[in-house]
Amino acid sequence: GQNIDQPTEMTATEGAIVQINCTYQTSGFNGLFWYQQHAGEAPTFLSYNVLDGLEEKGRFSSFLSRSKGYSYLLLKELQMKDSASYLCAVRVYGQNFVFGPGTRLSVLP
Amino acid sequence: DSGVTQTPKHLITATGQRVTLRCSPRSGDLSVYWYQQSLDQGLQFLIQYYNGEERAKGNILERFSAQQFPDLHSELNLSSLELGDSALYFCASSQDQGGQETQYFGPGTRLLVL
Repeated sequence: GQNIDQPTEMTATEGAIVQINCTYQTSGFNGLFWYQQHAGEAPTFLSYNVLDGLEEKGRFSSFLSRSKGYSYLLLKELQMKDSASYLCAVRVYGQNFVFGPGTRLSVLP
Repeated sequence: DSGVTQTPKHLITATGQRVTLRCSPRSGDLSVYWYQQSLDQGLQFLIQYYNGEERAKGNILERFSAQQFPDLHSELNLSSLELGDSALYFCASSQDQGGQETQYFGPGTRLLVL
């Protein structure tokens, strides 16, 4: 079976750093994706990891450990506009995408 | 604006009916992906086309079908509609077929089945 877990909700303070974890158990692995989705809007692609390690893109970084079935998204210097849902997804063999339930992040002033 | 367009924005129909959702990818993108997002099931991948050919298939029901035309626009056909098909349907596009490149999402079509 396919299973992806993420915390349902997280809260952090403006200017702080937050780490959103994602663990997965899937039949095969062909890359891990992170998306941001503001309420009522379409998802926005944030990052893609296929090899172990850290990928940095400005205030956002994504880490992958394939042996542990684990990834995290790190958001630095949080801003109010970062309040959104963050979706973790794995591409499995056969090129299917499996999505996690999403983590709703609230950034407080 | 992502450059991906979807029509219509909203659709209200009755159970048992058939509807067609349309997507135009960004200029130069060869891949089109279809997703369904409902409140109880989150975002689900339905199907991917690359340059007119089906590339990957996810949790797409047999009542649903899709195609990508020579001009690269895509249509998702939903038939024998049920109440549970009410959801947001997103289309996304990317340049590559493997999904490693950035996927750009359209604004979605909100379908309500009564």
